[in-house]
Amino acid sequence: DQQVKQNSPSLSVQEGRISILNCDYTNSMFDYFLWYKKYPAEGPTFLISISSIKDKNEDGRFTVFLNKSAKHLSLHIVPSQPGDSAVYFCAASGNTNAGKSTFGDGTTLTVKP
Amino acid sequence: EAQVTQNPRYLITVTGKKLTVTCSQNMNHEYMSWYRQDPGLGLRQIYYSMNVEVTDKGDVPEGYKVSRKEKRNFPLILESPSPNQTSLYFCASSGWGTDTQYFGPGTRLTVL
Repeated sequence: DQQVKQNSPSLSVQEGRISILNCDYTNSMFDYFLWYKKYPAEGPTFLISISSIKDKNEDGRFTVFLNKSAKHLSLHIVPSQPGDSAVYFCAASGNTNAGKSTFGDGTTLTVKP
Repeated sequence: EAQVTQNPRYLITVTGKKLTVTCSQNMNHEYMSWYRQDPGLGLRQIYYSMNVEVTDKGDVPEGYKVSRKEKRNFPLILESPSPNQTSLYFCASSGWGTDTQYFGPGTRLTVL
């Protein structure tokens, strides 16, 4: 059973508009959530994270929202730029156990100029 | 520069021929992991290590071995590779008390 799901394999938005990437999880023991960004031929890189004690975390153009009751988180990118085109992975872990993260399948974001 | 390195970056081999993919990090991180990425399946954890001589299975450990004899190195061993192990492999590391992982550039393995 997949514990972290990203139901949209792909998303296309116009430059300057908002990109919203979604992630759902089933394990209520998860207490830390991260987003990673991956360009072709490179490894994933950390983008932004949120602890379960918060419902929002913002870093520049990137904001992550967490709805614990719905077991749902989302990543907002405003404004979107062509350089944001990449695969975005949602990940979850429990008890700050960094050795055991569960990843979603990823969403490919394309930002059109 | 803080980084995770993997070698080789690309490897084509044949069924049954033992191979090792090396991983090294220079950040003195305690945690290290191996993942495989397959189309439509995201990143799946193969093995992870919490420190020297401490390793544990991830979600898809079958057909793989690991060792952690030194803190900086975490090689992935395929004793008898099979075609279903054709995949893109990533090594990652993270420090104590943090969940943020640093990934290597990936190793694309093809088993014929």
